[in-house]
Amino acid sequence: KAGVTQTPRYLIKTRGQQVTLSCSPISGHRSVSWYQQTPGQGLQFLFEYFSETQRNKGNFPGRFSGRQFSNSRSEMNVSTLELGDSALYLCASSGTAHTGELFFGEGSRLTVL
Amino acid sequence: AQSVTQPDIHITVSEGASLELRCNYSYGATPYLFWYVQSPGQGLQLLLKYFSGDTLVQGIKGFEAEFKRSQSSFNLRKPSVHWSDAAEYFCAVGPQEGDYKLSFGAGTTVTVRA
Repeated sequence: KAGVTQTPRYLIKTRGQQVTLSCSPISGHRSVSWYQQTPGQGLQFLFEYFSETQRNKGNFPGRFSGRQFSNSRSEMNVSTLELGDSALYLCASSGTAHTGELFFGEGSRLTVL
Repeated sequence: AQSVTQPDIHITVSEGASLELRCNYSYGATPYLFWYVQSPGQGLQLLLKYFSGDTLVQGIKGFEAEFKRSQSSFNLRKPSVHWSDAAEYFCAVGPQEGDYKLSFGAGTTVTVRA
């Protein structure tokens, strides 16, 4: 069974640009969550989607957005990039979202110059 | 609000020695508790989980954790550490009813010396 796949793995952007990250969950999983990981703030919850509906959103500015498609694949977008957006963005899928058992991808490493 | 504290930022242990990582949580009800491990450049891998029942849970790679409600703790242990156990370990709690997220501790980095 294939795991969670995130693309791209690495990317470099400049301030003011926008970026889209993609996540393909484990087959059959309908819940997808996104987390931002930085050395200073640790792992912070961005949002969670289930069957194309955002059920929860973390404390991030409106520049951070996401969506989920009918095949459960998800994308997140960050507009008007700032230096502080440099981070590892982790996607996780779950077959039973109410228990919190998450399966993580390897992440997308974003560097903003 | 739920939260997790991992008091130890960094632990160094000799190969073959035992390891214990501490985790304290704050949660309004019976928690779901997790330990995840992250190797450099990788995502997080679930080591073990506690939902209910037996308070001593076994996980992968020879790890175990004990849930102690009276101490609000969920400490991770391994009797004999291997060099491949060098990684960052995260304790997590959640989700609460309707919020669908995990709250992670700050992590403990484990260094294994030969």
